[in-house]
Amino acid sequence: NAGVTQTPKFQVLKTGQSMTLQCAQDMNHNSMYWYRQDPGMGLRLIYYSASEGTTDKGEVPNGYNVSRLNKREFSLRLESAAPSQTSVYFCASSGGTVIEAFFGQGTRLTVV
Amino acid sequence: DAKTTQPTSMDCAEGRAANLPCNHSTISGNEYVYWYRQIHSQGPQYIIHGLKNNETNEMASLIITEDRKSSTLILPHATLRDTAVYYCIVRVVSGGSNYKLTFGKGTLLTVNP
Repeated sequence: NAGVTQTPKFQVLKTGQSMTLQCAQDMNHNSMYWYRQDPGMGLRLIYYSASEGTTDKGEVPNGYNVSRLNKREFSLRLESAAPSQTSVYFCASSGGTVIEAFFGQGTRLTVV
Repeated sequence: DAKTTQPTSMDCAEGRAANLPCNHSTISGNEYVYWYRQIHSQGPQYIIHGLKNNETNEMASLIITEDRKSSTLILPHATLRDTAVYYCIVRVVSGGSNYKLTFGKGTLLTVNP
């Protein structure tokens, strides 16, 4: 019972490189989310997908794009990485009106 | 979603009860109180939620004041593994910002041996 799986767990990028963070959930949840967490700060919502086929911006969407590939998968893309995007990225999922969100273990991204 | 206020940090002795307060004076009638925690380097973990009645599960108890303007999360017998940042979140269950969880900075609970 994997829950929410994120890949990769660690990544180092050079400024200007692109990459995609992958997220998959096996709980048949409708909603999925991407958050970032910077040192000493709480989580900030980047993008979310309320249901398959829909995506919406969160608090800090600039510099990111997302794709809800199917009900299970929600990817986050950095087209041209910047040092300001160095952070820990968390993916989460929840049911339609479910109160309980499940989080992945995070991707630690460093942009140099 | 209503704003919440939590202390930045708290300490607790191992084996004792940990009582984590949260103020949410602007809470609306249809907003629930949720608690999550984040153990170092891990993803946040759901703990408990409630509307107006006190709630208890295998992890914790949630006490909500009668006017619903504040609440307390209680870990009855804190262990070292309960050292984490605890987040209090207030939001509606459906409609409006249904799909968003807004995390503040939370309370760092340190359980000491």
